[in-house]
Order: sequence, then structure tokens, then C-alpha cells
Amino acid sequence: NAGVTQTPKFRILKIGQSMTLQCAQDMNHNYMYWYRQDPGMGLKLIYYSVGAGITDKGEVPNGYNVSRSTTEDFPLRLELAAPSQTSVYFCASSPGTPGTEAFFGQGTRLTVV
Amino acid sequence: TQLLEQSPQFLSIQEGENLTVYCNSSSVFSSLQWYRQEPGEGPVLLVTVVTGGEVKKLKRLTFQFGDARKDSSLHITAAQPGDTGLYLCAGDGWADYKLSFGAGTTVTVRA
Repeated sequence: NAGVTQTPKFRILKIGQSMTLQCAQDMNHNYMYWYRQDPGMGLKLIYYSVGAGITDKGEVPNGYNVSRSTTEDFPLRLELAAPSQTSVYFCASSPGTPGTEAFFGQGTRLTVV
Repeated sequence: TQLLEQSPQFLSIQEGENLTVYCNSSSVFSSLQWYRQEPGEGPVLLVTVVTGGEVKKLKRLTFQFGDARKDSSLHITAAQPGDTGLYLCAGDGWADYKLSFGAGTTVTVRA
């Protein structure tokens, strides 16, 4: 059971570079989420999706873009990376019904220098 | 600003002591979840509370959902070093079930 798979696990970017963080789930979940977590802090929602073709902004969407062309995949795009985007990024999925568990990937540790 | 406010931010106690972590909001949630996260890992669900006033017990952990569905608490009895971690509460919205997290409480249990 793969669950939620994120790639890469680690990445160093230079200021102004772009990259895509990949996220895939094999549980046929409708809902998918991208969060960022700064050291010692909780999770801040960047974007989420309630199904293929539907995405919406979370609390901190600036500097990021997402797409959801399939149920399984939910990539997060960083354009013009900035040091403020140094963080650990978590992708999660859930069935979407109230109170159901969100399953998380292992995270991507991104450093922008 | 966080939709869900957790307190305290940090908690350090001796093994065998009790502790309580609080999660408060001005918003009403359809459900509240508690997760525990260890370093280098993603959060893992501990419990979901869905009914106002609900109390759930998992061994030494007791979770409560406020009557007005705006707040929750996590109480650990006789804490053990294995309870060390970051505890996060998360709320489901009514309209779209968007899952929002609090800032977390870092719990350290000293042997």
C-alpha cells in the first residue's frame, strides 16, 4: 500500500528558479491538499482540490500554483523561488466526507538559497 | 492568522505527570481531528470527534469536543516519553470540508 507518495524528498533551489513538487495517491481519494510547515510550527494550507479539475486557494497560496488533471496526482508548482519558500511541504489526501482521516506523504524539504 | 488556536505552544513535563492541550476557534466545525507528528514524518491521525460534547478515550488519551463545536481538548494521563511529539488539531469546514490545522503544541516528556 503506497498511500501518498511525494517526490523529491529533498531539494535545494536557487532564488528565481522554478520547480514542481510531485504528489500521487492510490486510494482513490477525492480531496487532496498541499501544506507547508515551518520549523516547530503547524501546517498552513497552500491549495486544495475536491476532485479532478477543481482546485482552490488555502491560507498561503501566493507564489504557488497547482493543477489536478487526474484523481491520483496533485503537483505543486513553485515559480520564481524565494527564500521565504524554504519549508517542508506535505501533500495529503482524504475521502472528503466529514471527519475522515487525512493521509500524509513523507514531506519534501525545500531550501531556497 | 490561524483559524484554530492551540495552547500552550510548548509543554515540557516529567514522566508520570498529566497534561492538557487546548484547541480553540471562533468558527464552528463539522468535526475536529487530533494528529501527532514525529520529527521527519507526516502527521498521523489520533482521533476524530464529530458530535458537540463528545468525549473519546484512547488508553491514556482523552479527547473532548466542545458543546458549541468550536473547541477541543486533549488530555494525557501519566505521560510517557513515547508521548513526545507535535500535537496538531485540525478542523473540517461545513461547506467544503477543507481541513485547516492549528499551529501545534510541542510536547516533551522527560524520563
